[in-house]
Amino acid sequence: AQSVAQPEDQVNVAEGNPLTVKCTYSVSGNPYLFWYVQYPNRGLQFLLKYITGDNLVKGSYGFEAEFNKSQTSFHLKKPSALVSDSALYFCAVRDGGYQKVTFGIGTKLQVIP
Amino acid sequence: EAGVAQSPRYKIIEKRQSVAFWCNPISGHATLYWYQQILGQGPKLLIQFQNNGVVDDSQLPKDRFSAERLKGVDSTLKIQPAKLEDSAVYLCASSLDITGGSETQYFGPGTRLLVL
Repeated sequence: AQSVAQPEDQVNVAEGNPLTVKCTYSVSGNPYLFWYVQYPNRGLQFLLKYITGDNLVKGSYGFEAEFNKSQTSFHLKKPSALVSDSALYFCAVRDGGYQKVTFGIGTKLQVIP
Repeated sequence: EAGVAQSPRYKIIEKRQSVAFWCNPISGHATLYWYQQILGQGPKLLIQFQNNGVVDDSQLPKDRFSAERLKGVDSTLKIQPAKLEDSAVYLCASSLDITGGSETQYFGPGTRLLVL
């Protein structure tokens, strides 16, 4: 069975500092990995995904994520945080050989002015 | 391009009542998903359609939940009868195709259900 872990309920970072939101996964085959963001009272928005190729994936709003196969991780990063980045972030995984996507429980990112 | 549309946005009902949610996916998207997101948790897939066929409904409580996508376009999710624990946000998403598994899902704004 596939699973996703987001070990931090909340991440606080000062505006202008780099941010990292952690995600680890477990699948039996090759992983397809996704990051989504959810702003209050809105649906989820796609940020980026890893399918194959370069381990560093660049996405929307200046976010990037690094796929690390040996550590089974897909951490979300941004070099300089903005107050507007404050939101709920979800990591998701799909086993390459199976079609259902499994979401993590989410990490609340709070960027402090 | 119009996004995924859902209605209603909010619904309050009493337990044992029935409720229905509607979703219209992005035009041309073959795959449609219904998720349940309970407060403090990640979205949980309830059912996944490819055109008008069901791909996965393993987590759908079939004794009370039902869903259909008759013409392979819009979809309805129904709860009958509702329980207190059904209080959640119901998200609809769509994607072009599930072939290969790499496609991006586009989410609607969700329907917030409160069961009293």
